[in-house]
Amino acid sequence: DAKTTQPPSMDCAEGRAANLPCNHSTISGNEYVYWYRQIHSQGPQYIIHGLKNNETNEMASLIITEDRKSSTLILPHATLRDTAVYYCIVRGLFSGGSNYKLTFGKGTLLTVNP
Amino acid sequence: GAVVSQHPSWVICKSGTSVKIECRSLDFQATTMFWYRQFPKQSLMLMATSNEGSKATYEQGVEKDKFLINHASLTLSTLTVTSAHPEDSSFYICSASIDEQYFGPGTRLTVT
Repeated sequence: DAKTTQPPSMDCAEGRAANLPCNHSTISGNEYVYWYRQIHSQGPQYIIHGLKNNETNEMASLIITEDRKSSTLILPHATLRDTAVYYCIVRGLFSGGSNYKLTFGKGTLLTVNP
Repeated sequence: GAVVSQHPSWVICKSGTSVKIECRSLDFQATTMFWYRQFPKQSLMLMATSNEGSKATYEQGVEKDKFLINHASLTLSTLTVTSAHPEDSSFYICSASIDEQYFGPGTRLTVT
């Protein structure tokens, strides 16, 4: 799986958009970009994933550059409950019944301030 | 949907004893479950991959005789830490996969 690089920490004001960057310059053509987050002392929570098109769901938006070497996770209106470690992971798509692994890096600690 | 539970949420045990942690997928069947370990201020490290009805695949450096994994059904996997020692104290997290990996809330193990 391709390796990712994220800033160790970021701050964001409550109510503002949080933009979390991720570099994955060695991503291969069949690898997806996944984002998970982990609130302190809890299990990780799936946020979103994408291949090359921008994606949006009820939690966040994912913007992937045209060359796919980097991406940005956007939380449009951050709240205090969004304070967590955010992990950017690249891997192949799960194919029903097949094994796959998630390799967690150090992630970005996002702190949302009142 | 896609809820994964773990039991217990925390456990304290004496050195030399064994501890069993359960991981259940509550509203879906998972052919594959994963076990991770997380030490304080560190990221999650995959310990093993478990498929229903077959032996688990352990990551390099993880002792399979110490960390026994059983995946007897499509909704239940168990991790048993045998002869636990203080250095096994950690946060153990499981995940179950159907389309994506869904994680349990974790189990805090403290070995005294």
